[in-house]
Formats: sequence, structure tokens, C-alpha cells
Amino acid sequence: KAGVTQTPRYLIKTRGQQVTLSCSPISGHRSVSWYQQTPGQGLQFLFEYFSETQRNKGNFPGRFSGRQFSNSRSEMNVSTLELGDSALYLCASSLNTEMNTEAFFGQGTRLTVV
Amino acid sequence: AQTVTQSQPEMSVQEAETVTLSCTYDTSESNYYLFWYKQPPSRQMILVIRQEAYKQQNATENRFSVNFQKAAKSFSLKISDSQLGDTAMYFCAFMKFSGGSNYKLTFGKGTLLTVNP
Repeated sequence: KAGVTQTPRYLIKTRGQQVTLSCSPISGHRSVSWYQQTPGQGLQFLFEYFSETQRNKGNFPGRFSGRQFSNSRSEMNVSTLELGDSALYLCASSLNTEMNTEAFFGQGTRLTVV
Repeated sequence: AQTVTQSQPEMSVQEAETVTLSCTYDTSESNYYLFWYKQPPSRQMILVIRQEAYKQQNATENRFSVNFQKAAKSFSLKISDSQLGDTAMYFCAFMKFSGGSNYKLTFGKGTLLTVNP
């Protein structure tokens, strides 16, 4: 079966701009979560969506937002980009049931803010 | 809040030898899951092994096994017969059991493992 697909793979943006990243989960997975990975902070949880509802949010400013569509595809948006937003953004999807907790990750979107 | 600590930023091992990666965590939860993920240079995060906290038996997956010490809050990963393809960043991760109501992984900083020929 197809894995988690993130687009685009690479992005270069200028400070102050906004950016939208996309994640298509594995078919049948309704839980989609997002993580930011940087050399300094490591992997940090951004938010999780399930059936179009945000269920959990990490400690990030309001400039970071997301949404999930009825087909479970998710997007995250970062407004007013800062240099510190440069990172690898990873998306993960899961069946998220008691018996099945494995998260499947996409290859990530590498965002560079200049 | 939960925290996950990996005290070994880098490790190296010779091919075919055994290596153990350490992980400790802090939580007040009694029901939770622990994971080891592998991230090779391709950046794709891959689940290596999973442990449910309520299970006393240590999980094993082929050459990978864990030593889960719940009282000590320790969760180490042992890789036997190391292969060149095991070269990667390894992350220990924690997830609170929530009956499927939300999904949030808390990761350690990672251990870069290099397998030398």
C-alpha cells in the first residue's frame, strides 16, 4: 500500500512569508500528526488531527496552524516565517486504535527560511 | 509532562557485533507505550520496536530487542549482529495510553549509530 506522502519535499521561503505543507496519510488512517525536527530542539510535536478535529496541540505559537480534510489529508500552515522555522517537518499517520498504535512517517518537507 | 532522555549522542559498532542504546523517561502515567524509531540518511522514520508498559515481557523483533525496566523507567535497545544498514539516528519515544483518543509522541534527542565494516 502507498505510504505517507508529503509535498513538497523542499521549500525555500523568505522571512515574513507564509507556507503551506501537505500530507496525504495512508488509506484508512484518520489520525495525522505533525512534528518539527531541528538539530537544536530535536523532534517536537506540533499537533494531531483526527476526523477533521484537532485533538492535541504542542507548544508552538499561533503562527503554526493546521487542518484536516474529509479525506484525511492534512495541511499545516506557518505564517510570518522566521529564520528559526527552518526545519524538517514530518507528518505521521496512524490507525490510532488501542491495538494499533504504529505511526507511519512521511519523508518530510525540508523548509529553509532565508 | 513526559520527558525522554537519550544520554548517548553518538555510538559506533563493528559489523556483526552487538550494541545497546540507552533511553530513560520520566512520567507519572501508569499506562503508556514506548518505541524505538530509526531515521537513516534518507530521513524516513521507521518503527523498529514497540513495548506496551503493561507487558512485563520484553519486546523482540528479529535482531532487535529491548530491556524494559518499568520501575527504573529505562528502555534500552539491543541490536545484535549489527549490519551496515543499521547505520542511522535512533530515537526513543513515549506515548501516553489514551484509548485511542489522541496521538502524541514525545521523542528523545536521538543517538547516531554508525556501523563500521
